[in-house]
Amino acid sequence: QKEVEQDPGPLSVPEGAIVSLNCTYSNSAFQYFMWYRQYSRKGPELLMYTYSSGNKEDGRFTAQVDKSSKYISLFIRDSQPSDSATYLCAPNAGGTSYGKLTFGQGTILTVHP
Amino acid sequence: EPEVTQTPSHQVTQMGQEVILRCVPISNHLYFYWYRQILGQKVEFLVSFYNNEISEKSEIFDDQFSVERPDGSNFTLKIRSTKLEDSAMYFCASSRTGSGYTFGSGTRLTVV
Repeated sequence: QKEVEQDPGPLSVPEGAIVSLNCTYSNSAFQYFMWYRQYSRKGPELLMYTYSSGNKEDGRFTAQVDKSSKYISLFIRDSQPSDSATYLCAPNAGGTSYGKLTFGQGTILTVHP
Repeated sequence: EPEVTQTPSHQVTQMGQEVILRCVPISNHLYFYWYRQILGQKVEFLVSFYNNEISEKSEIFDDQFSVERPDGSNFTLKIRSTKLEDSAMYFCASSRTGSGYTFGSGTRLTVV
């Protein structure tokens, strides 16, 4: 089983839609959960950072972590064409591996006007 | 906003040649990383560097790879003898605290 699995999509939605992006993981040691956004030919950009289970909201973005089912979600409300990018989940174990991120495959999102 | 700067943006090299990829991390950051992304594949961790030494490295980071922070501002990744399969985007990242770090725009390495 892969450590981090993410549906690569592509996902295409109309402007204003609510987008749901998901990841599953297998490593029980993961405690920190990041979502990155990557535009074409650019490096990943940190969107959301969550510790352990629960929800975190930041503007139009909400991150959810369910450690019991090893399931991570990112919701985008009122999606905009500028949200079109690849979204990467990246959990981390902390401790001595605090800096090492394990990325998912990424989900390609297109928001069309 | 502070940036991580990587040079060159694209490098073409012959198989067997040495390459050095350069990065200028954000000035007050203490943790430094290299990742790579083969076309169509995941972003993969290569190495983390803190306090002038490697803190963790992946299986990919074998004896052909080395990192250095030669002058307190640059952070370099050297590949001693490049192989075709080293062709990838290489991302440098830095962090002040060890989490939530900032990535550069990457160097696209093409080995021919």
